[in-house]
Amino acid sequence: GPKVLQIPSHQIIDMGQMVTLNCDPVSNHLYFYWYKQILGQQMEFLVNFYNGKVMEKSKLFKDQFSVERPDGSYFTLKIQPTALEDSAVYFCASSLGVNTEVFFGKGTRLTVV
Amino acid sequence: GDQVEQSPSALSLHEGTGSALRCNFTTTMRAVQWFQQNSRGSLINLFYLASGTKENGRLKSTFNSKESYSTLHIRDAQLEDSGTYFCAAEAGPGGNNKLTFGQGTVLSVIP
Repeated sequence: GPKVLQIPSHQIIDMGQMVTLNCDPVSNHLYFYWYKQILGQQMEFLVNFYNGKVMEKSKLFKDQFSVERPDGSYFTLKIQPTALEDSAVYFCASSLGVNTEVFFGKGTRLTVV
Repeated sequence: GDQVEQSPSALSLHEGTGSALRCNFTTTMRAVQWFQQNSRGSLINLFYLASGTKENGRLKSTFNSKESYSTLHIRDAQLEDSGTYFCAAEAGPGGNNKLTFGQGTVLSVIP
């Protein structure tokens, strides 16, 4: 099936530092998403993004979080500064349209120490 | 409160047997997806339904938007079916494709 690629698969970072998680969505998809999962538990929606803009964000999408996709390159999630509670697996996803199937990457495990 | 209530939270099946997972929705959902999360953490798309029933091999899923539930039936369970299964639904209309996930069902298939 369609592949969403996430780089890196695992990142360890010192608390207070900045981290950028990279996502290469399915090539013809137009809608992009980030989700957060702690310890294999429930997946939580963070944000969705279309046409260069955030459409909707959840209360988990703190002020320290930002997303962008400059010039059609990687779709990124930046956390600056990081906090211990940001440790989780972050999944990127994409879809062709609004009312279409969503495909997920394999996740980036972020560990803040 | 939670819009998606998934049950059971855990399930053990002997190889060759089957069972059903269920998600109840507390608000109108436009579509539902089912995923298997494997031991490496990857989410595998199983089904996408806007209505009705779909079948793929030993798996079958139904989505009834009027009665606000979806089910995933597994038959003839195999060891490789072990993992965590999630339903995820988009509230409609105008849901922006924001998926609300269930709490997951940890399936263990035992010899």
